[in-house]
Amino acid sequence: NAGVIQTPRHKVTGKGQEATLWCEPISGHSAVFWYRQTIVQGLEFLTYFRNQAPIDDSGMPKERFSAQMPNQSHSTLKIQSTQPQDSAVYLCASSLLGGNAETLYFGSGTRLTVL
Amino acid sequence: QQQVRQSSQSLTVWEGETAILNCSYENSAFDYFPWYQQFPGEGPALLIAIRSVSDKKEDGRFTIFFNKREKNLSLHIKDSQPGDSATYFCAANMGYKLTFGTGTSLLVDP
Repeated sequence: NAGVIQTPRHKVTGKGQEATLWCEPISGHSAVFWYRQTIVQGLEFLTYFRNQAPIDDSGMPKERFSAQMPNQSHSTLKIQSTQPQDSAVYLCASSLLGGNAETLYFGSGTRLTVL
Repeated sequence: QQQVRQSSQSLTVWEGETAILNCSYENSAFDYFPWYQQFPGEGPALLIAIRSVSDKKEDGRFTIFFNKREKNLSLHIKDSQPGDSATYFCAANMGYKLTFGTGTSLLVDP
C-alpha cells in the first residue's frame, strides 16, 4: 500500500498563473479531503468528496479554487490566477468511509510557492 | 475564530522528560479528539485519539487526558526521545470533518 500520493511535491508559479495539484487516494478509500497548511493558520479544511461526489466545499475560496474527483483513483485541486497568499502546503487525505472518528491518511503534500 | 486551540506554538524538553502539550476547544458537539504527528516534509499521521466518553487514553509512552467539563485535553509524552521531535496537532471531529489546532512544535534535546 503506497499511501496517499500527491504530485508534484513542489510547484512554483508566477502571480496570475494557474496551478493544478493531483492526489491519488488509498485504493478502496471512498472519502477524499483537501486541506491547506500554513504556519499562521495551521491546517484548514478546504473540501471533501465521498464516492467521488462533492459533499462539502465550505473551506474553498469561492472564486479561484475548484476541486474535482473524476474517478475513484484521483482528485485534483485547481487554483486559477494564483496569488502570493495562496502559497502554502496543500494536503490531500483519504479515509475508508468518511465517517465519524475515522483515521485520515495524509499524503506528503504539494508545496505551492507563488512568486 | 479558532475552534481548536493549542496553547504553545513550541516546546522544548530534555530527553527522558515528560512533554505536555495542551489543547482546548469551543464546540461541545465535538466527540472525537485525535492527535496527529507531523515530521518535516511529511503529512500528518495519527498518533493517538480519544472519544469524549473517556477521560484517559494510553498507548505506550503517549497518554491523552481529557476534561469534558473544561473542554480541554492534553497529550503527555513520557520519557521523551529525540525521535519525538515533530509538530503535534490536536484535532476535533464532528461527523466527517476534522478541525485542527495550529500545532505545537516539540523539540527534544538529547
